[in-house]
Amino acid sequence: QKEVEQNSGPLSVPEGAIASLNCTYSDRGSQSFFWYRQYSGKSPELIMSIYSNGDKEDGRFTAQLNKASQYVSLLIRDSQPSDSATYLCAVNLLRGSNYQLIWGAGTKLIIKP
Amino acid sequence: DAGVIQSPRHEVTEMGQEVTLRCKPISGHDYLFWYRQTMMRGLELLIYFNNNVPIDDSGMPEDRFSAKMPNASFSTLKIQPSEPRDSAVYFCASSFATSQAGELFFGEGSRLTVL
Repeated sequence: QKEVEQNSGPLSVPEGAIASLNCTYSDRGSQSFFWYRQYSGKSPELIMSIYSNGDKEDGRFTAQLNKASQYVSLLIRDSQPSDSATYLCAVNLLRGSNYQLIWGAGTKLIIKP
Repeated sequence: DAGVIQSPRHEVTEMGQEVTLRCKPISGHDYLFWYRQTMMRGLELLIYFNNNVPIDDSGMPEDRFSAKMPNASFSTLKIQPSEPRDSAVYFCASSFATSQAGELFFGEGSRLTVL
C-alpha cells in the first residue's frame, strides 16, 4: 500500500461545476496536509494547507481533513479552465526526529469549457 | 523576494559528463530540498538541508549524486558521471519553519537530458 494515494485521473469536470479531489494516507502519525497544483511543464505550487480536522476554505478552494478516516480532499467550486492541472497531495509526518513529506502521485484535472 | 532560483533551466549533456545544478533559496528559509520528477516515478526527494546541514540524503540514488550547501544562499547538486536514466526535471525548494515544513516554495526546475 502506498503511503499517500491519489486517483491518477484524468478527472474531467465541466466548467462551473465542483471538482472533488481525494487523497488517502496510511500513517496515523501524519501531522499536516498540503495540496499543490502543478501546471504542465511548471513547478508545484502550494495552494492549500490544513492541520486539523474539518474544513478550510480559501476562495474557491476548500480542503477537508478527516484524520479518523485518514483522508484529505480538495474541492474546487465554480471550476475554471485555468484550474486544469495536476494536483499533488502531500502529507507531513514525524519520523524519528525529522519531518518527512510524503507525496502522492497526483491527480490530473481537466476542466471542460 | 525573487523566489527560489535555479540554474540552468535546461541542460543537455552526453553520458559520462559531469552535471552541476544550482539553487538559491528564498532568503530566510532554513530548509532546502532537492527533488527529482519523472513521469514514471513522480516527485522524489533526493536530499534536504536544515541550516546548511544535510539531514536526510537517503533519496540520493547512488554515489554518482552529491549535494552541497556551503552557505545559506547557495546549494549545488552534482551528478558525476551522468547516465541517460538521470534524465528528469530537478527541482529545488525551500521552506521556513519545521512545523510548516510541508509548505515548500519550488524553483522553476532544471530539465536535464542525458544522451
